[in-house]
Amino acid sequence: GESVGLHLPTLSVQEGDNSIINCAYSNSASDYFIWYKQESGKGPQFIIDIRSNMDKRQGQRVTVLLNKTVKHLSLQIAATQPGDSAVYFCAENFGIQGAQKLVFGQGTRLTINP
Amino acid sequence: EPEVTQTPSHQVTQMGQEVILRCVPISNHLYFYWYRQILGQKVEFLVSFYNNEISEKSEIFDDQFSVERPDGSNFTLKIRSTKLEDSAMYFCAGNRQGPRETQYFGPGTRLLVL
Repeated sequence: GESVGLHLPTLSVQEGDNSIINCAYSNSASDYFIWYKQESGKGPQFIIDIRSNMDKRQGQRVTVLLNKTVKHLSLQIAATQPGDSAVYFCAENFGIQGAQKLVFGQGTRLTINP
Repeated sequence: EPEVTQTPSHQVTQMGQEVILRCVPISNHLYFYWYRQILGQKVEFLVSFYNNEISEKSEIFDDQFSVERPDGSNFTLKIRSTKLEDSAMYFCAGNRQGPRETQYFGPGTRLLVL
């Protein structure tokens, strides 16, 4: 039978505006978080990461905020461009040395309107 | 800039057949991973591999799956007897330091089981 994919949250913004993508993570013991961008038909591409001893980290046009109290992560993209259109996943790192994995969130589809 | 490569990009197979998905990680990486992504869903961890042995595997990674790095270059995922539900994108990833370091993903192999 036909499989039905999960409905992704979507966000549409005008080119040049700022966007904020949110993510709730599950494990209070997770100490490393990553945002990935996935364009259609491609693998996840690293955007920015943050460790649990930080609340905020900035990159080029991107900022990640971490709120450990409520287990919430956000990705802010400033001055969005058409090339920012993609699905964005947050991922949390589980595990100890030699036994670790990334657990991905559901993803948010960001569309930049011209 | 070095990249993870995967072959083939697409594979179509009949149910019950064996498939081998190949990955060439970045040369200085030491930790290797396989993930899969069913169409429209989030990326799911399958297995991590370090020092020529499996570090961790998910419940998806049952006896039909195996991994090896036979020649210190290629990292392969074998599915012995494919099922319809194995249809997905399969991503290889790697990093140098393992935990708490981002994983770099390949472009993926799209597997379709008929």
